[in-house]
Amino acid sequence: QQQVKQSPQSLIVQKGGISIINCAYENTAFDYFPWYQQFPGKGPALLIAIRPDVSEKKEGRFTISFNKSAKQFSLHIMDSQPGDSATYFCAASNYGGATNKLIFGTGTLLAVQP
Amino acid sequence: DARVTQTPRDKVTEMGQEVTMRCQPILGHNTVFWYRQTMMQGLELLAYFRNRAPLDDSGMPKDRFSAEMPDATLATLKIQPSEPRDSAVYFCASGADLGETQYFGPGTRLLVL
Repeated sequence: QQQVKQSPQSLIVQKGGISIINCAYENTAFDYFPWYQQFPGKGPALLIAIRPDVSEKKEGRFTISFNKSAKQFSLHIMDSQPGDSATYFCAASNYGGATNKLIFGTGTLLAVQP
Repeated sequence: DARVTQTPRDKVTEMGQEVTMRCQPILGHNTVFWYRQTMMQGLELLAYFRNRAPLDDSGMPKDRFSAEMPDATLATLKIQPSEPRDSAVYFCASGADLGETQYFGPGTRLLVL
């Protein structure tokens, strides 16, 4: 019940296209859902995050869509660019719990072709 | 520009040797996390500290791994004895006590021969 399932494992998108990565969770106590972006040789870095009181959050070309009833959330990258090529991790945590431990998905390797 | 720092960045050692990895969290952060990343297992949480006290080390092999925070500016992860299966990238991350964001360091790439 602590797992966060992420798909697809890898994704190839043409420049200018839309990249979509999906995640699902089981624990209804989760109340914080961040996405992290990791470039080769670097540590993951927070990209965008959402709380379950909203269904969508947009920051530039990046949008999180959240479906509380389905226990799913997704990352959309509009107008994908070669510079977006990286590994993306979804995560979830119970912020109101005793710890702010993040449960990470398995990652999606995105390649944006020029 | 506040950052988490980790040393060494790369480490090659032979099986059976002790390995010590160090992390300096962002000043003012009081939660520290150790992760291990491999192709097969992805990001695994090894241990977690709040205010220097260990809160969760359930992800860590107890017989060979140990994690400590000697002071607020230093976290260490030790492997003794090291084994080839320990080869991975080890990340340290820190966060504010009531914040959700974890800030990751650049990682230590460990190769055990």
